[in-house]
Amino acid sequence: KAGVTQTPRYLIKTRGQQVTLSCSPISGHRSVSWYQQTPGQGLQFLFEYFSETQRNKGNFPGRFSGRQFSNSRSEMNVSTLELGDSALYLCASSLDDMGGYGYTFGSGTRLTVV
Amino acid sequence: AQSVTQLDSHVSVSEGTPVLLRCNYSSSYSPSLFWYVQHPNKGLQLLLKYTSAATLVKGINGFEAEFKKSETSFHLTKPSAHMSDAAEYFCVVPQGSSNTGKLIFGQGTTLQVKP
Repeated sequence: KAGVTQTPRYLIKTRGQQVTLSCSPISGHRSVSWYQQTPGQGLQFLFEYFSETQRNKGNFPGRFSGRQFSNSRSEMNVSTLELGDSALYLCASSLDDMGGYGYTFGSGTRLTVV
Repeated sequence: AQSVTQLDSHVSVSEGTPVLLRCNYSSSYSPSLFWYVQHPNKGLQLLLKYTSAATLVKGINGFEAEFKKSETSFHLTKPSAHMSDAAEYFCVVPQGSSNTGKLIFGQGTTLQVKP
C-alpha cells in the first residue's frame, strides 16, 4: 500500500514569504503529526491532527499552523518565513491505536529560506 | 514527563562486527518505545517497537532491542553490521500514556560502518 506522501520534496522561499506543505497519510490512518528537523535542535514536534481537530501542539510560534481535511490529508503553513525556518519538515501518520502501533513517516519536505 | 537519552552521538564499527546503540528512557509508567532509522536525505523508517509485550523485540534488517525496566534501557543491537546500516538512529518515546501523536526523539546516533 502507498506510504505517507509529502509534497513538494524541495522548496526554496524568500524571507518574509509564506509556504504551505502537504501530507497525505496512509489510507485508513486518521492521525497526522508534523515535525521539524534541524541539525541544531533535532526533531521537534509541531502539531498533531485527528479527525480534522488539532489534538496537540508543540512549542512553536503562531506563524506555524496546520489543518486536516475530511480525507485525513493535512497541510501545514508557515507565514512570514525566517531564515531559521530552514529545515526538513516531516509528516507522520498513525492508526491512532492506543496500543502504540507506531508512526509511519513521509520522506519530508526540505525547506530552504533565503 | 517522558524522555529518552541516546548515550552515544556517534558509533563506528567494522562491517561484519556487532552493533550496539544505547538508549535510556525516563518515564513514570511502562512506555511504548521505538527505534527509527534515517538514511541521508530520507524520512524516518520504523525499525522496531516495544509495546509491553515481549521484552525482546525483533525488527527489520536483523535489528533487535531489549526492554530492561530495571535499567530503564532499550538498547538496539545487530549481530553483524552491513555497509547499508550506515545511517542515523533515533530512540523514540510517545509523550503520555495515550496516543497523543507527539513523539519525543533522542538526539540521534550516527552509525558509521567501515569496510
